[in-house]
Amino acid sequence: TQLLEQSPQFLSIQEGENLTVYCNSSSVFSSLQWYRQEPGEGPVLLVTVVTGGEVKKLKRLTFQFGDARKDSSLHITAAQPGDTGLYLCAGARTGANNLFFGTGTRLTVIP
Amino acid sequence: DAGVIQSPRHEVTEMGQEVTLRCKPISGHNSLFWYRQTMMRGLELLIYFNNNVPIDDSGMPEDRFSAKMPNASFSTLKIQPSEPRDSAVYFCASSLITLAGGRNEQFFGPGTRLTVL
Repeated sequence: TQLLEQSPQFLSIQEGENLTVYCNSSSVFSSLQWYRQEPGEGPVLLVTVVTGGEVKKLKRLTFQFGDARKDSSLHITAAQPGDTGLYLCAGARTGANNLFFGTGTRLTVIP
Repeated sequence: DAGVIQSPRHEVTEMGQEVTLRCKPISGHNSLFWYRQTMMRGLELLIYFNNNVPIDDSGMPEDRFSAKMPNASFSTLKIQPSEPRDSAVYFCASSLITLAGGRNEQFFGPGTRLTVL
């Protein structure tokens, strides 16, 4: 059983559209990270959110940590083909050195 | 900064053979993680080390899998004997874990794509 469930699992959209990816859990995390993985490469860290309700922006990407620190969302505005990849959320828990990775959302942006 | 280095990038072997995957973490990082990724199961944590000591190996699937970290700059993951179901991409990641805790940001290597025939 995965600690972090992501939805949707697959997403295929046209260039210019907006989208939101969700990362949900029943557990509380001390911080939550989002990674993007492109084919043939390892996941690359995009952002870390720490405070409940925190919102961080990275160009066209907006990340939000839930008030209760159990969930997070990633919103992409005006998606571009370069956004294509596997998006993974990962939660850190107090007292544990490892991360709990989500099930992943595979995004394809069609030109 | 060279990042996390893994070798080989690709490995094709026959069932029953021994396979050794190698990882060099980012200099100064004190934690190292081995993951396996497949389409069916996603990204799975196999084992992680803190200050070269194995902390949690509960993700290691079977006794055929073993991992070592003889020093802060090198780790190996060995599969002996290998089986076709071991075919996957294996990632190594490193992190700097501080006493303050909380963030645990990990930096991944490019992975080793293993195919066992």
